[in-house]
Amino acid sequence: AQKVTQAQTEISVVEKEDVTLDCVYETRDTTYYLFWYKQPPSGELVFLIRRNSFDEQNEISGRYSWNFQKSTSSFNFTITASQVVDSAVYFCALSGGYQKVTFGTGTKLQVIP
Amino acid sequence: NAGVTQTPKFQVLKTGQSMTLQCAQDMNHEYMSWYRQDPGMGLRLIHYSVGAGITDQGEVPNGYNVSRSTTEDFPLRLLSAAPSQTSVYFCASSYKRANEQFFGPGTRLTVL
Repeated sequence: AQKVTQAQTEISVVEKEDVTLDCVYETRDTTYYLFWYKQPPSGELVFLIRRNSFDEQNEISGRYSWNFQKSTSSFNFTITASQVVDSAVYFCALSGGYQKVTFGTGTKLQVIP
Repeated sequence: NAGVTQTPKFQVLKTGQSMTLQCAQDMNHEYMSWYRQDPGMGLRLIHYSVGAGITDQGEVPNGYNVSRSTTEDFPLRLLSAAPSQTSVYFCASSYKRANEQFFGPGTRLTVL
């Protein structure tokens, strides 16, 4: 069975601070895919990034960056210089082999102006 | 491209009633799934399909049925609604299971 753990239920930061959202996963598959999604207060779910298990290169997209470490089974997400528009619930998800897609319970980020 | 569409957006049912939540996508995606979102529980998979004619159970399938007669449509049926099924339901699709999912806008269901 596969599992995704997002231990941080809620995080509050002041605008312009950096914040890291943690994601730890468990899987027995050697080939798997990790994802991050964003759910703003309006409720829609938006895809942010996909990473496969063979690509441990960190990814940077503007103020967003992702750190994938197979050694610690983690796929953490950092927002640099946070903005109020970053306030949302962020979900980490895992798709492995023939397993179903599993989501974590989400981290609610509140950025205070 | 309409993407993933869901109807209705809101629904109130009485205990014991049945209904179907509709989901359609126009991206020719093979993989479709239904999730429910409850406070503090994240997104939990109800049922999924890897192609027309193929469906399988997710984490919380009890009380729900699905079918996939076409690539485009993936309806979710509540057989006999219960208050525990009060939730927000999301339909999603992706090209394959390994690809990013596109989500519908959600259906907010209340069972009294």
